[in-house]
Amino acid sequence: NAGVTQTPKFQVLKTGQSMTLQCAQDMNHEYMSWYRQDPGMGLRLIHYSVGAGITDQGEVPNGYNVSRSTTEDFPLRLLSAAPSQTSVYFCASSRTGSGDQPQHFGDGTRLSIL
Amino acid sequence: EDKVVQSPLSLVVHEGDTVTLNCSYEVTNFRSLLWYKQEKKAPTFLFMLTSSGIEKKSGRLSSILDKKELFSILNITATQTGDSAVYLCAAVNAGGTSYGKLTFGQGTILTVHP
Repeated sequence: NAGVTQTPKFQVLKTGQSMTLQCAQDMNHEYMSWYRQDPGMGLRLIHYSVGAGITDQGEVPNGYNVSRSTTEDFPLRLLSAAPSQTSVYFCASSRTGSGDQPQHFGDGTRLSIL
Repeated sequence: EDKVVQSPLSLVVHEGDTVTLNCSYEVTNFRSLLWYKQEKKAPTFLFMLTSSGIEKKSGRLSSILDKKELFSILNITATQTGDSAVYLCAAVNAGGTSYGKLTFGQGTILTVHP
């Protein structure tokens, strides 16, 4: 089972560049989410989706866009990279968002903005 | 605003010791509490707790939830060096616009020396 797959694993960008972090899951999960992890701050929710075609903002959405055209994929787009977006990004999924099933995480993307 | 606080933030023990990690939460529409172990990559799921007073066990690890006092503990007995990791606690808000949102604590860094 592949589970939650994130690509790339590492990326270095220059300030102002744009890029898309990919996330795919093969478990037919309805709920998908993006988090960023910074030292001393735990994981913070960026955006989430409760199903194909439906997305919403989390705690720290500014500077990021998402879309959910299929159940399997939930890409995260950085519109104009800033050094403050240097972080480790995790994608997660669960069967539903009801809290009755745990979220499972991908291996993360380590992103550095110069 | 939902909040999760873990203590201690770091802990150093020797193999064979027993440790107790604490997690307190303030979450509207609380649905469940999750514990994850994070080594170098993705947080891996340990426990999901939804009911007060029912202990969940997996080998040397166990956890319990107190919904009246709004906290949970994670116990690890007979610690091994392989238990060294960051332990994350997260609470699920399953209401309204926060549907499925996980709020994480800062994590407890556990170091087990031989």
